Amino acid sequence: DQQVKQNSPSLSVQEGRISILNCDYTNSMFDYFLWYKKYPAEGPTFLISISSIKDKNEDGRFTVFLNKSAKHLSLHIVPSQPGDSAVYFCAASSIYNQGGKLIFGQGTELSVKP
Amino acid sequence: NAGVTQTPKFQVLKTGQSMTLQCAQDMNHEYMSWYRQDPGMGLRLIHYSVGAGITDQGEVPNGYNVSRSTTEDFPLRLLSAAPSQTSVYFCASRKGAVSNYGYTFGSGTRLTVV
Repeated sequence: DQQVKQNSPSLSVQEGRISILNCDYTNSMFDYFLWYKKYPAEGPTFLISISSIKDKNEDGRFTVFLNKSAKHLSLHIVPSQPGDSAVYFCAASSIYNQGGKLIFGQGTELSVKP
Repeated sequence: NAGVTQTPKFQVLKTGQSMTLQCAQDMNHEYMSWYRQDPGMGLRLIHYSVGAGITDQGEVPNGYNVSRSTTEDFPLRLLSAAPSQTSVYFCASRKGAVSNYGYTFGSGTRLTVV
């Protein structure tokens, strides 16, 4: 039972354009959502997050949108750069569930072409 | 640099062998956890600990043991390795026993069981 789903295994975007990565979840108890970025042979690194009481959070080129009614969140990267090429994981947690453990999606591999 | 240190980085085991994956953090984090990453599955929680002397199971605990005798260390033991345990293993720590954010990941251990 996959509680967090990223249905697109890969995404290819031209440099300078917008990248949109999507994530769906099933558990309405999740109260915090995070995006992690992972390069090969490295551990995931935190990118951006959003609390369930908000619907948008921005940090530079990265914006996360949350639609609670649709149980959907998305990560927008504008403009995309070749250095953004990596695997992006969506994660969700509930502070009431096992101390806030992270539940990850399957990941989306983003390729930004020059 | 402060952070999460995992050893070894690579390991090949024969079926039935045992081994311990080491994880150490020097940030005085209360919460530590182990994840495994498999293609198409994202990262799945194996075991976690909210403090020294306290451990609990995650989503996929079978075949793995953990202990937390100190705040700094959280080793993962494979008692009798199986090919299904071929994976990349990540240790993560976080300040606060109960929280949604602030996870730091190690760089991973790539394990192959033949």
